[in-house]
Amino acid sequence: AQRVTQPEKLLSVFKGAPVELKCNYSYSGSPELFWYVQYSRQRLQLLLRHISRESIKGFTADLNKGETSFHLKKPFAQEEDSAMYYCAPPGPGGGNKLTFGTGTQLKVEL
Amino acid sequence: NAGVTQTPKFQVLKTGQSMTLQCAQDMNHEYMSWYRQDPGMGLRLIHYSVGAGITDQGEVPNGYNVSRSTTEDFPLRLLSAAPSQTSVYFCASRVGQGGTDTQYFGPGTRLTVL
Repeated sequence: AQRVTQPEKLLSVFKGAPVELKCNYSYSGSPELFWYVQYSRQRLQLLLRHISRESIKGFTADLNKGETSFHLKKPFAQEEDSAMYYCAPPGPGGGNKLTFGTGTQLKVEL
Repeated sequence: NAGVTQTPKFQVLKTGQSMTLQCAQDMNHEYMSWYRQDPGMGLRLIHYSVGAGITDQGEVPNGYNVSRSTTEDFPLRLLSAAPSQTSVYFCASRVGQGGTDTQYFGPGTRLTVL
């Protein structure tokens, strides 16, 4: 079964410091991975996805097939980055069962 | 477009009561799903649908029923509410079954079962 692990429940960094939110997956096929974000009192929204290789709000995520990881990174954290972040790979069957990690709460302190 | 809408926003039930959480989308998306969000558990898939008339179970389907009579609507029914179903429920939709499609989420329903 598809599994995603986000080892940190809470990550606290100072403004301007680098950020790395970890995500490891177990998937036998070629994965298509996503990062979703939930800001306070807002609905979940897509932050970025592996296939498009975008950089959104300064965040990037590189798929490392050797380490089966899809860590989310940003060189300089901003206060508005404080949010809940979910890593999400598709399930088997082409993505019907989109599963999520347990999430990491990022807190950017001044 | 309103996107994905959910009603109600908040609900308090007593154990054993039944209710239906409503979800609708106006984007003509084929795929819709329901998740529950619990502290430390992340988002867990309850049920999903790949089109009108087709539904399937997710990770945690017990205690919930769904139906998909139209493309737009995907209600979630709790037949006999239990305190373990206290959670925040999110409905989501996307264009199709492809693993690369973006999911769009509703604002959530916060349910408390006493």
